Amino acid sequence: NAGVTQTPKFQVLKTGQSMTLQCAQDMNHNSMYWYRQDPGMGLRLIYYSASEGTTDKGEVPNGYNVSRLNKREFSLRLESAAPSQTSVYFCASSEAWQTGRTQYFGPGTRLLVL
Amino acid sequence: DQQVKQNSPSLSVQEGRISILNCDYTNSMFDYFLWYKKYPAEGPTFLISISSIKDKNEDGRFTVFLNKSAKHLSLHIVPSQPGDSAVYFCAASEEGGSEKLVFGKGTKLTVNP
Repeated sequence: NAGVTQTPKFQVLKTGQSMTLQCAQDMNHNSMYWYRQDPGMGLRLIYYSASEGTTDKGEVPNGYNVSRLNKREFSLRLESAAPSQTSVYFCASSEAWQTGRTQYFGPGTRLLVL
Repeated sequence: DQQVKQNSPSLSVQEGRISILNCDYTNSMFDYFLWYKKYPAEGPTFLISISSIKDKNEDGRFTVFLNKSAKHLSLHIVPSQPGDSAVYFCAASEEGGSEKLVFGKGTKLTVNP
């Protein structure tokens, strides 16, 4: 039982390049989330998915797209990376009946945009 | 507008003493509160939570207190240990079925041996 896994762990991009951050969970959770963490800013919600086939914007969605590929996987795409997207990205999952409102986080992807 | 505030960016305590981390919130619709702990280069891990119908929840060395009238909660760690050194995030969730969390900016706790 790996919990929440994220790939890659670290990535360097040039401005304008695109990339997809991958997230998978093996806990059979319905809800999945993408956050970014910046120094002194805490964790801010980018997008979330309450169930397979649904996605909704969070606090800071601009510049990102998401895909809930199936119940296990939730990907985050940067179509044209900007230096302001340099951050650490965390994926999380939860299931109301199983975990209440507790979310379980992956180890993070550190992204540097030059 | 920041709905969850952790006004102390850092806190330093001696091993064996009490650590008290504070959190304030502005949204009266929040009815569930959580504390997460985060070590460098790792994801946040759940520590303890409290529902708004309670004013205290205890789990081993960790106790969370909730004062709804003041919109304030605190995390007490007794006794503090060097392994408790980490960033602690307060988070809140609004009633209504959504599992979304709103996080504070975090407090970095350093426990000195």
